[in-house]
Amino acid sequence: SQTIHQWPATLVQPVGSPLSLECTVEGTSNPNLYWYRQAAGRGLQLLFYSVGIGQISSEVPQNLSASRPQDRQFILSSKKLLLSDSGFYLCAWSRKNEQFFGPGTRLTVL
Amino acid sequence: GENVEQHPSTLSVQEGDSAVIKCTYSDSASNYFPWYKQELGKRPQLIIDIRSNVGEKKDQRIAVTLNKTAKHFSLHITETQPEDSAVYFCAAPSDTGGFKTIFGAGTRLFVKA
Repeated sequence: SQTIHQWPATLVQPVGSPLSLECTVEGTSNPNLYWYRQAAGRGLQLLFYSVGIGQISSEVPQNLSASRPQDRQFILSSKKLLLSDSGFYLCAWSRKNEQFFGPGTRLTVL
Repeated sequence: GENVEQHPSTLSVQEGDSAVIKCTYSDSASNYFPWYKQELGKRPQLIIDIRSNVGEKKDQRIAVTLNKTAKHFSLHITETQPEDSAVYFCAAPSDTGGFKTIFGAGTRLFVKA
């Protein structure tokens, strides 16, 4: 069966610091991968998606970037965090349109 | 591109009553309509979905109806229970090859005991 992992589960970072969130998927090959952000009490904002290694599509211009160095690994990064980057970050993979979400990383930028 | 509107944003019902959440979509080519439930602090999880070749699908206390002509679909929860309290998201595939899913803004459902 397929499993999706994210780490860390929670993170508190100062403004201006770098960020690296990691997501890995097990049990499937060549998945479509996604990064979403959810601000407190809000909906799901698609940040990036990837249909293959090295292929990244950005949905919202911002100070975040994504990379896919391996088939089942998706990384979300920032060189300098802003206060507005706080939120719940969800990685997901999809099969036949259904989205399977990871457990999420709760990021607080102070 | 696809646009998904969801109403209401908040819904409060008494335990045992029914709850209905409605969504509209813009792309007439969309053919898959899922509903996700997100409990507080947890990840969204699929609870029911419907494809465009049927008008209704039911799974115990939850059902989804689809009106392709009007381009809207609804989630129905009957005999609501406190554990139904959560945020519910509708969604539809985008029109750019189906790689993306467009989510509604979410409905926060409160079921009062």
